[in-house]
Amino acid sequence: RKEVEQDPGPFNVPEGATVAFNCTYSNSASQSFFWYRQDCRKEPKLLMSVYSSGNEDGRFTAQLNRASQYISLLIRDSKLSDSATYLCVVIRMNTGNQFYFGTGTSLTVIP
Amino acid sequence: DVKVTQSSRYLVKRTGEKVFLECVQDMDHENMFWYRQDPGLGLRLIYFSYDVKMKEKGDIPEGYSVSREKKERFSLILESASTNQTSMYLCASSLLGGKSDEQFFGPGTRLTVL
Repeated sequence: RKEVEQDPGPFNVPEGATVAFNCTYSNSASQSFFWYRQDCRKEPKLLMSVYSSGNEDGRFTAQLNRASQYISLLIRDSKLSDSATYLCVVIRMNTGNQFYFGTGTSLTVIP
Repeated sequence: DVKVTQSSRYLVKRTGEKVFLECVQDMDHENMFWYRQDPGLGLRLIYFSYDVKMKEKGDIPEGYSVSREKKERFSLILESASTNQTSMYLCASSLLGGKSDEQFFGPGTRLTVL
């Protein structure tokens, strides 16, 4: 079973729409969680960390559900510039802080 | 400004050649990583290093080796390149025990092995 699983999409949404991505992780020892964003032919960059209490950064909201072992990313009022691949990342401390990446969810925001 | 650089953006090599991929970071980070990224498989960790001269195998080390002689430089070596090593290679670095654990990535090297 993969360490981290994401729906690859693609998600094609109109500008202004709200879109949500989920990501599940298999190991309950996972302790840190992130969303990274990767633009086409570019490197991944940190979008936001995911905290147990949930956190918001502008139009982006990240949530963690430890009981069900999933994290989510909600994007409100989608912009054309949000088009990218969103990577879910999980860190397990007992593997020396190794990052485990999901395969990514592709989002295209359509005018 | 945080910076991770990789020696080449695009590289074409022949089967059996020895290939060196270089990565340099200017942030004084202890941790450095090499990943490969393939469609449908995501980023997979090849090797990582927590300090100079130290290296640890990731999930897919077979066919690769690494070298970390200086803190800022982490090299990935393909001793005898094969066609199944055609991929995008991404280097990353992070602070040891950094608060955010953020990894900073280089722009990637797209390697084609013919």
